[in-house]
Amino acid sequence: GQNIDQPTEMTATEGAIVQINCTYQTSGFNGLFWYQQHAGEAPTFLSYNVLDGLEEKGRFSSFLSRSKGYSYLLLKELQMKDSASYLCAAFSGGYNKLIFGAGTRLAVHP
Amino acid sequence: ETGVTQTPRHLVMGMTNKKSLKCEQHLGHNAMYWYKQSAKKPLELMFVYNFKEQTENNSVPSRFSPECPNSSHLFLHLHTLQPEDSALYLCASSTGTTGELFFGEGSRLTVL
Repeated sequence: GQNIDQPTEMTATEGAIVQINCTYQTSGFNGLFWYQQHAGEAPTFLSYNVLDGLEEKGRFSSFLSRSKGYSYLLLKELQMKDSASYLCAAFSGGYNKLIFGAGTRLAVHP
Repeated sequence: ETGVTQTPRHLVMGMTNKKSLKCEQHLGHNAMYWYKQSAKKPLELMFVYNFKEQTENNSVPSRFSPECPNSSHLFLHLHTLQPEDSALYLCASSTGTTGELFFGEGSRLTVL
């Protein structure tokens, strides 16, 4: 079967660092996406990992371990505007589709 | 502005109504998708179209009927829906090769 797991909710303090974990079990796995979705808005692309390791992009970094079926999104120097849902999604290239987790709702407090 | 436009943004309908959701993409992509997003549930893939041909129907009830007249437009025709169909319906497009999806703002559907 296909399964994506991530925590439902997380809270953090402005200026801090938070790590959102994601585990996946999918067939035909090609890579792992992270999307950000603010309330009432469309999901927007954050990162895509194909190979094992850490990809850094400004305040956001994403890590992938294919052998462990594990990824995380690391957010540094948190800002209030980072309060949003973060969606983990596995890409099955053979089927040309993304399988999404339920999303992690992050609340950043002053 | 994401390059993917959905209308209407909000829709309220009775169980006996017939309505349609519309999606248009201005990105030159070849693949288009309908996803359903319910509270606290994963985004559920409903339909996939590649070059106007339906390549995925994820066991969606027949009361949802997609239509893709060309690579830039996608419709979701709705009839005799149930209250549990109330959700945010998201349209997305992609090049079909990289996997990255570009989403519209969604159509918030309420079935009474």
